[in-house]
Amino acid sequence: KAGVTQTPRYLIKTRGQQVTLSCSPISGHRSVSWYQQTPGQGLQFLFEYFSETQRNKGNFPGRFSGRQFSNSRSEMNVSTLELGDSALYLCASKRGGSYNEQFFGPGTRLTVL
Amino acid sequence: GIQVEQSPPDLILQEGANSTLRCNFSDSVNNLQWFHQNPWGQLINLFYIPSGTKQNGRLSATTVATERYSLLYISSSQTTDSGVYFCAVDSQGGSEKLVFGKGTKLTVNP
Repeated sequence: KAGVTQTPRYLIKTRGQQVTLSCSPISGHRSVSWYQQTPGQGLQFLFEYFSETQRNKGNFPGRFSGRQFSNSRSEMNVSTLELGDSALYLCASKRGGSYNEQFFGPGTRLTVL
Repeated sequence: GIQVEQSPPDLILQEGANSTLRCNFSDSVNNLQWFHQNPWGQLINLFYIPSGTKQNGRLSATTVATERYSLLYISSSQTTDSGVYFCAVDSQGGSEKLVFGKGTKLTVNP
């Protein structure tokens, strides 16, 4: 069974631009979560989607948004990029219900210049 | 919200040595996972262990939920074990997000 995939793997943008990252969960998994990892703040939760609905949201500004499609694939969007948005963005999926184990993709490394 | 503390922050070993990594958490949990982050950034699942003991080869983990801690044991360490180990929890009755500790950076020297 294929793991969680994320595209693109690397991205370079300039301040003020926007970016869209994509995540395909493990087949059969209905929950997708996004995390940001930076050297200063560590791993922080952005949001979680389940059956196309955002269930939880972390403490990030409204510039960070996401969505989930009917096939469980998810995208996250960051608008008006700032230098501090440079980070590794990790997507995780889990089956949902009583199955709580999360599995992570390889991440998208975003650099904002 | 729930707090997660990992210790030690850094650990340097010689190949073949054993080690114990600790994770303390501040509230009851639904989920506790141990991960190893590889040099490319991917989090590799080691254990899903909200309670009890599990073993996988040279690695084993124990979570004592009533005392709010988990231990990860690495025996006969190899240079490929180097990297950062994270503990993450998802609190009972909480939001189902994982809250991560700051990690333990393990360096295994040949």
